[in-house]
Amino acid sequence: DTAVSQTPKYLVTQMGNDKSIKCEQNLGHDTMYWYKQDSKKFLKIMFSYNNKELIINETVPNRFSPKSPDKAHLNLHINSLELGDSAVYFCASSQNGQGLHFGAGTRLSVL
Amino acid sequence: KQEVTQIPAALSVPEGENLVLNCSFTDSAIYNLQWFRQDPGKGLTSLLLIQSSQREQTSGRLNASLDKSSGRSTLYIAASQPGDSATYLCAVTNSGYSTLTFGKGTMLLVSP
Repeated sequence: DTAVSQTPKYLVTQMGNDKSIKCEQNLGHDTMYWYKQDSKKFLKIMFSYNNKELIINETVPNRFSPKSPDKAHLNLHINSLELGDSAVYFCASSQNGQGLHFGAGTRLSVL
Repeated sequence: KQEVTQIPAALSVPEGENLVLNCSFTDSAIYNLQWFRQDPGKGLTSLLLIQSSQREQTSGRLNASLDKSSGRSTLYIAASQPGDSATYLCAVTNSGYSTLTFGKGTMLLVSP
């Protein structure tokens, strides 16, 4: 019954690897987001998709590539992982910007 | 560019106290404002959503107010409990499809 679900919950990997994080929402929302929470706990937007179309792309390295196969899914693929990518990545969704619902987060550790 | 500031950064109170968390934003042309709670190592739980046309929202012991013209919101927690210990985040949206801009949060500790 989870509204916004992300997998995996934890991801530990070596520098230089490629990894993906998946997100699914069953709320029927039209907009999905990826946020990054750094070591200082500050949350910053990375991407936003509305009806599968990219509408916001903040200053994020092009090693990060979001993909939205349908309105209910927004996946995040990261190439050539770097130490600085270690953070917690949160997926969220909303309908017409009316309050965001967040997933539980994916804690990425790059060694 | 919208900036959100939360004061205080940390707050420690004994159980039973009423408390106020403050949030200010630089661009008053907001669409809505949302208060979240984040427990250590966990995701964000939405507490209250205030539309730009509203002055306040209430849920149980929580009351959030919004003064758009002055760029301020407060979250009032009545009769605090140890279970209220968490980080409280304020975030604003500037349009229907823009994203949330978050403050850095207030870390609350309620001691028994």
